[in-house]
This record gives sequence, structure tokens and C-alpha cells, in this order.
Amino acid sequence: GEEVAQTPKHLVRGEGQKAKLYCAPIKGHSYVFWYQQVLKNEFKFLISFQNENVFDETGMPKERFSAKCLPNSPCSLEIQATKLEDSAVYFCASSQMTAGYTFGSGTRLTVV
Amino acid sequence: RKEVEQDPGPFNVPEGATVAFNCTYSNSASQSFFWYRQDCRKEPKLLMSVYSSGNEDGRFTAQLNRASQYISLLIRDSKLSDSATYLCVVPELSGTYKYIFGTGTRLKVLA
Repeated sequence: GEEVAQTPKHLVRGEGQKAKLYCAPIKGHSYVFWYQQVLKNEFKFLISFQNENVFDETGMPKERFSAKCLPNSPCSLEIQATKLEDSAVYFCASSQMTAGYTFGSGTRLTVV
Repeated sequence: RKEVEQDPGPFNVPEGATVAFNCTYSNSASQSFFWYRQDCRKEPKLLMSVYSSGNEDGRFTAQLNRASQYISLLIRDSKLSDSATYLCVVPELSGTYKYIFGTGTRLKVLA
């Protein structure tokens, strides 16, 4: 499709619960990126993929966050044992090289 | 110095006004730049790409000043629908296609 599809739109989890977010990139886009947007518009890079391979994971808090992009499946971002500070909007984006990202509509995660 | 800096605003302007915002970047080797528009916590949408001296698209003009390391976005004849946050984005140069985002400039166009 011509849009990046993210699900769910909203997710509420109690502290310590697991959260799993999904992203279907635009068909034909080789790169997938995950960003976390917290208050005051700060975008924090988490991880990127080139097809199903991790391209850059320098932003991932590795002890609780993991991500995958498997063939013929949506990409996923999973947070084990969520904390209050994980509350944010998580945006997925896809692109072809340096043409500029197309963002999904985001998943708003609220940890209570 | 932050890698990408923007005045957070808000810029409150009347309909029909011309408004401009600047974005400064720290890495002099940066080659490409983007302006994205973000409405009220929705996804950022690409407004303009800037690869050389500038770009123009209708009422929107982006200009690049390499000597002073800033890009500007000029909006002419502002519409109510232009109210949004404008994000300045500079790709990191590590070859990872990772973006560095400014914190955004908030624009409110008033009737």
C-alpha cells in the first residue's frame, strides 16, 4: 500500500506489562525506522531496519525493548515490563534511501 | 550546541501574513534538509526537501544558507490551515539514514 500502517492507534498498559506495536511499511520501501516522541516534540530514534536486517539499533534500550521485521509480516516493536517513562507516541516510518520518510500515524502508548 | 535548533514559538500571525522561521544545524557537512509539518500529535508529513540553495512550492519557500548553517521556511499568505508545528529535520551523516529532529516551531494563524 501507499501508506505506513501502524496498529494499534492507542495502547494502555499497567506498569510491568508487555506492549507490542506493529508497523506495515510501504511496499517496496527497504528501510523501516522507529522513533519515540515524548513531550515537547522530542523525537528519539530507536532502531532501523534494512529489509529484515537490523540496520542501526543505537537508540534501543536493549534491556526491555526489542524489534523485528520478518518477511511477509508487519514489523514489530515490543516493550517488556513497561515503565511510566515509556508513555509516548511511537512512530514508524519507511523510506527508500534518502528520499525522505513517510511516517505512520503512530501508536500512543500510555503506561499507568 | 544542539545538532538542530529551532525557535519553539508559538508564532501567532493573522491570516494573510507572511511568516518565516529559521533552523540552525551544527554539522557543516550536511547536504540535505527537510521541513515536516506535524498537526496536533499526528504523524509528521513531508512539506519540503532542500538539497541545494532552496526550494519553492506554492506559498512555501525553503532557503539554505550554508555559510551560516541555517535553513529557513517562509510561508506567504498564511491560511488558518497552516496552523501546525513545523519540524526541521537533518539526516545524520553516518550513512544510517537516521534523522535528527528539531523540537519544532509552532505556528498559529489567527482569523
